[in-house]
Amino acid sequence: AQSVTQPDIHITVSEGASLELRCNYSYGATPYLFWYVQSPGQGLQLLLKYFSGDTLVQGIKGFEAEFKRSQSSFNLRKPSVHWSDAAEYFCAVGASTGGFKTIFGAGTRLFVKA
Amino acid sequence: DARVTQTPRHKVTEMGQEVTMRCQPILGHNTVFWYRQTMMQGLELLAYFRNRAPLDDSGMPKDRFSAEMPDATLATLKIQPSEPRDSAVYFCASGLVPGTTDMGYTFGSGTRLTVV
Repeated sequence: AQSVTQPDIHITVSEGASLELRCNYSYGATPYLFWYVQSPGQGLQLLLKYFSGDTLVQGIKGFEAEFKRSQSSFNLRKPSVHWSDAAEYFCAVGASTGGFKTIFGAGTRLFVKA
Repeated sequence: DARVTQTPRHKVTEMGQEVTMRCQPILGHNTVFWYRQTMMQGLELLAYFRNRAPLDDSGMPKDRFSAEMPDATLATLKIQPSEPRDSAVYFCASGLVPGTTDMGYTFGSGTRLTVV
C-alpha cells in the first residue's frame, strides 16, 4: 500500500518570492504522482502529474515538480508566487499496478503576503 | 471543458435520514473515485470503481455507506442512517486509466453534507 506525506501544514511566502512545497511518498514501485490545488469552497484542480520519463514535470499556472526516486520525493516549485496562488495544495500518489488506487496527502495551505 | 457533475451541491439532513449523493463522470472515463474531505481527516478515499465494478471500498463504514454505479453515467454514494460525524464534503473524481499520457483525475465540485 502506498502513503504520502506533506510535512508542511502551512507556508507563507511573499508575493514574487519562490515557492517549494514538499511531498514524500512510500510505494514499492514507481508511482504515479500528482499535484492538485484547491481554492476555498472549490473542487480540486490538477496542476501536474508524473508517470514516467523526464523527472522534471511542467504544469499549469507556472508550476513544476521534480521526481527524485532516491529521496522518494515529488516537490512542487514555482519561481515567482502571485497572490492568486494562495490556496491549499495536495500531493497524491497512485499505484502503478492493479487498481491504480490513488491517495492524497494532508495538504499544505499556502498564504501569500503582499 | 468536460466536467464531473455532482448533485446536490449542499445537503442538510437530520440524523437518521438516508442521504444519496450522485455523480456524473466524464463520458469515456473508466474510473470513478469517491473521497470525503474533513478538516480533521483531510481527503479520505472511500471507494473507487473501474468499468463500473467496485475495486476497493475499504475506506467506507460498511454498515451505513454504500456506493454503486448503476450505469456508466451515474455513480451514487448512499448513507443510511446518517450521523452528525458524516458531515463533510464528498467529492467524486473520474479518470481514464491505465497508462495514458492524459491520465489525471477530474474532480467534481463536491457535495457539502451537514447532518444535524
